[in-house]
Amino acid sequence: EVQLVQSGAEVKKPGESLKISCKGSGYSFTSYWIGWVRQMPGKGLEWMGIIYPGDSDTRYSPSFQGQVTISADKSISTAYLQWSSLKASDTAMYYCVRLTLIYYFDYWGQGTLVTVSS
Amino acid sequence: QSALTQPASVSGSPGQSITISCTGTSSDVGSYNLVSWYQQHPGKAPKLMIYEGSKRPSGVSNRFSGSKSGNTASLTISGLQAEDEADYYCCSYAGSSTPYAVFGGGTQLTVL
Repeated sequence: EVQLVQSGAEVKKPGESLKISCKGSGYSFTSYWIGWVRQMPGKGLEWMGIIYPGDSDTRYSPSFQGQVTISADKSISTAYLQWSSLKASDTAMYYCVRLTLIYYFDYWGQGTLVTVSS
Repeated sequence: QSALTQPASVSGSPGQSITISCTGTSSDVGSYNLVSWYQQHPGKAPKLMIYEGSKRPSGVSNRFSGSKSGNTASLTISGLQAEDEADYYCCSYAGSSTPYAVFGGGTQLTVL
C-alpha cells in the first residue's frame, strides 16, 4: 500500500527555521516525483514545487522560489520542505503529494500544520 | 501563471446533477488533456477523483465524470449524494517550464 506519512504539527515564532518531512512507503521512492502543496487557512491549494528523489532534480513554482527549500534523502525514502526564516504568512497546512508522469497527484500525505506566531 | 478559474460555489439537491467548470488558457487547459480533479472534505487531505481530463481512479464512483472543451474543463457529478458535499479543485499541467502545474481556486459544493 502506497503511503506518504508526514511529520507532526509545528508551532514556531517568526524568524525561526523549520524542516518538515514526508516519508514514502509501498512503492519505489526514487521513481516518482514528490511535490509540496500549500493550503492557507480557509483558502485553496497552491503548488509549491517538486523533487525527483532519484537524482534530486528540483523545480519550484515562481511564487515559492527562494522562499523554501525542497530536498530528499533517498536512503530513507523521505522528502523535506524547509524554511530558513519563517513569517506569519507561512501559517498553513502543507501536503506532500506523489506526482505521476502525466501530472496528477495520486497520493497525498495527511498534511502538516505549520503555525507561525509571536 | 494565474490560477485556473472555478466558480466559488455550486449547489444541488440529492439525485440531481451538477457541473463545475474550470477555465484556463491556451497555455494550460487548452494545450494539454492533463486536467485532474480533487475532492476535499473539511479537515481532510484532498483525494484524486479524475485524471487526464476524464479518467477515474479505481474506487471512485462512476457518478463522477470529466470533460474538456477548449480552455475549459468540467467535472460533472450525477445522482448527487450528501457525501459529495465538499470542496473541489481542478489542476492542469502548464508546460515544461515552471510552474508546471496550476490549481483552480476551488469550488464549494453544497448538497441541499
